[in-house]
Amino acid sequence: GAVVSQHPSWVICKSGTSVKIECRSLDFQATTMFWYRQFPKQSLMLMATSNEGSKATYEQGVEKDKFLINHASLTLSTLTVTSAHPEDSSFYICSAPRRISGLTDTQYFGPGTRLTVL
Amino acid sequence: QQPVQSPQAVILREGEDAVINCSSSKALYSVHWYRQKHGEAPVFLMILLKGGEQKGHDKISASFNEKKQQSSLYLTASQLSYSGTYFCGTEPQGAQKLVFGQGTRLTINP
Repeated sequence: GAVVSQHPSWVICKSGTSVKIECRSLDFQATTMFWYRQFPKQSLMLMATSNEGSKATYEQGVEKDKFLINHASLTLSTLTVTSAHPEDSSFYICSAPRRISGLTDTQYFGPGTRLTVL
Repeated sequence: QQPVQSPQAVILREGEDAVINCSSSKALYSVHWYRQKHGEAPVFLMILLKGGEQKGHDKISASFNEKKQQSSLYLTASQLSYSGTYFCGTEPQGAQKLVFGQGTRLTINP
């Protein structure tokens, strides 16, 4: 079964509104989670690293005030797209590495959230 | 720095073999391989942590040349279910994050 869940699976919203996406690790604790964005027929682009208990680390070119990340607990990270615009429409995917003795054993991806901004 | 995958696309007949390469300009801590079907999230295939390491599962295997900062994914006797886009994800040393290649689209025809 899935070990990383995302909610919602899809969302359609009006331009200017904010959308929150949740990412949960189900069977393990994740001090770190990653948020990716994928446009059609393109690769996954890392947006930010979500760190439990500290600020997220954003990749170059990603606006931290637009994409708010909160790592509320060892099993939950949220991504909020603020004042969404049509160009924010994309497939948003989170992932969580399962680490054993500090080493990455497996990287689990959530099922993704498809955001459509009208 | 995004790793470079080659080839960009492969078309095979069922039962044929394929090799997908992934190379990075940075020293790597690990290499991950994923397969993504259209409209779905990527599915983890395997991770290689040590230089010289090779791993396999069913008829899919991979190798990691740490010195050359390269990894290759080998698909033997391909099945229709192998179709999809394959991504390598590289974890630069000290970075603790995955950076994905541009993907290799694999099409298996009957």
